[in-house]
Amino acid sequence: DAGITQSPRHKVTETGTPVTLRCHQTENHRYMYWYRQDPGHGLRLIHYSYGVKDTDKGEVSDGYSVSRSKTEDFLLTLESATSSQTSVYFCAISEGPRNEQFFGPGTRLTVL
Amino acid sequence: QQQVKQSPQSLIVQKGGISIINCAYENTAFDYFPWYQQFPGKGPALLIAIRPDVSEKKEGRFTISFNKSAKQFSLHIMDSQPGDSATYFCAASILNSGNTPLVFGKGTRLSVIA
Repeated sequence: DAGITQSPRHKVTETGTPVTLRCHQTENHRYMYWYRQDPGHGLRLIHYSYGVKDTDKGEVSDGYSVSRSKTEDFLLTLESATSSQTSVYFCAISEGPRNEQFFGPGTRLTVL
Repeated sequence: QQQVKQSPQSLIVQKGGISIINCAYENTAFDYFPWYQQFPGKGPALLIAIRPDVSEKKEGRFTISFNKSAKQFSLHIMDSQPGDSATYFCAASILNSGNTPLVFGKGTRLSVIA
């Protein structure tokens, strides 16, 4: 398995609180992605990064911010969590935008 | 134009049967079409991929068929097994599009029953 870890793996939080999810890779891949997965919606891209400090928005970026200060770490922050952000969040990495994406194990986030 | 439309949303197939999942796209610039497989509780993983210079690619029981004129591609799983029960995602990307990542379909949940 590609060296991708996500933390935490499970989190329950309350509406209005800030939440940060971490993705860590040991593959030195340039590209990193954050997706959310919800029933009926498949995988939706939130943000992605194509290098240190280089990020761009995906399909559902509202309410989310990201940071990448090191090649190996990509952080996803919900500044003020809402119940609509209850989801399973996946991080993925790839060498290039059209190379195979390797996915992490996911983080299940519940916002009460 | 960046969408990939996947059908059906769910599929139930008898063991030994053929599972067929279809995807359609509008953007003729798409030139790479991978399929990802996701088991419950896991992240998706690449299953098989095709480029438009061929009409079919086969890997074991899994085959991608590609119809460039119809802008459609499909995944066929021959001799479907209960272990194939998973969610399948088609995806597409454009060769010379800078940093633009893959576009995923909404997924098909396949259940293979004995």
